[in-house]
Order: sequence, then C-alpha cells, then structure tokens
Amino acid sequence: KQEVTQIPAALSVPEGENLVLNCSFTDSAIYNLQWFRQDPGKGLTSLLLIQSSQREQTSGRLNASLDKSSGRSTLYIAASQPGDSATYLCAVYTGANSKLTFGKGITLSVRP
Amino acid sequence: NAGVTQTPKFQVLKTGQSMTLQCAQDMNHEYMSWYRQDPGMGLRLIHYSVGAGITDQGEVPNGYNVSRSTTEDFPLRLLSAAPSQTSVYFCASSYQRQGAGGYTFGSGTRLTVV
Repeated sequence: KQEVTQIPAALSVPEGENLVLNCSFTDSAIYNLQWFRQDPGKGLTSLLLIQSSQREQTSGRLNASLDKSSGRSTLYIAASQPGDSATYLCAVYTGANSKLTFGKGITLSVRP
Repeated sequence: NAGVTQTPKFQVLKTGQSMTLQCAQDMNHEYMSWYRQDPGMGLRLIHYSVGAGITDQGEVPNGYNVSRSTTEDFPLRLLSAAPSQTSVYFCASSYQRQGAGGYTFGSGTRLTVV
C-alpha cells in the first residue's frame, strides 16, 4: 500500500528564507507526483507536476525534484514571502484504483 | 475556462437527510473523482469515474452514491446523512486515465451534518 509522508507537519520561517519541503513515498512505481497548495478554507491549487521520467520541474520561485528510486521529492521555495503561507500537499499517482495518494501536508508560515 | 465547479460551497444537513453535491468540469476530462478531507486523515478517495457511464468505488464509498451520465458532470449523493460525513468534499478531474496530465480540483463543499 502506497504511503506518503510529509515531515514536519508545520514550519515557521522569517521572510526571505529559501525553503525545502520534503515528501517521501513508499512505493516507487509511480506515474507522477504533484505538489499542491491549499489556503485555509480553500481548494487545492496545483503547483507543479513531475512525471516519473522527469527529475525536476520549475515554476517561478518554485522548484520540485523527484528521486523515484529513493521515494523522495522536495519542493524548493526561493526567497519566501508572507504570501507563501499555506499548506503544501504532495500526492503521488500509481494508477491503482485511479487515485492520488496524499501526504497530510506541511503548514508553512512565513513571518514578515 | 471555469475548470472544476462545485456547488454548493457550504451545506448543513440534519441526520438522515439526503442531498446531492454537484461537480461539473468544462475541460473535457475523462477522469473524475470525489475526495473527502478530514483533519488528521488527509484526503481520501470516495468514488471515481474513468468515463461517462463508468464508476467505481474508492477507499471510503459507504454512504455515498455516484453516477456519470455525461462527461461534464459527476454528482455525489449522500443517501442518509450521518454526523461522520461532516467533512470537506473535493471533486477532481484529469484528462488522461493514468493521470499523466495531473489533476485539477474544485474549490470544495463544506458539509456539516447535525
């Protein structure tokens, strides 16, 4: 059974820091991994999608990497801003039952 | 494009009542699914559909019913609401069965059963 772990559950940093958010998964047979952002009381916004054949994806200040063999992904946020405060979720797709398996998320707080 | 639209955004039900959560997408996505999000439990798959006329159960299907008569719509029905169904419900869609294009989520329906 695929399990996705995100540690720590919460993180507080001062503005301007470069951040690394970690995601690990137990079954390396994935099609892709997707990072989402969720603001309080809101839906999930897709940030980056990495296919199993890719090593990384970049969008603006965000960079996500994937090491499938070791079951790890990282989301790098450069020069963090208070507007980056949110919960960040990673999810993997294995094709089994056509479902995404989610981690429980990392709640990020960026202090001005 | 509107993406994935869910209605209503908020709902309060009494135990035993039934209701339908609506989900519509305008991206011609084959694959649609329903998740519920609970504190400490993360997101869990309720039901999914790989195309019109085809549905299947996810991890937590009990107490819910779905149908997929069109590509665009995938409603979720609560047959007899229970307090354990208090949750935030998300609908998601993807244009490829293997999810290779990634998933788009709706903004959610916050349901309280009293």
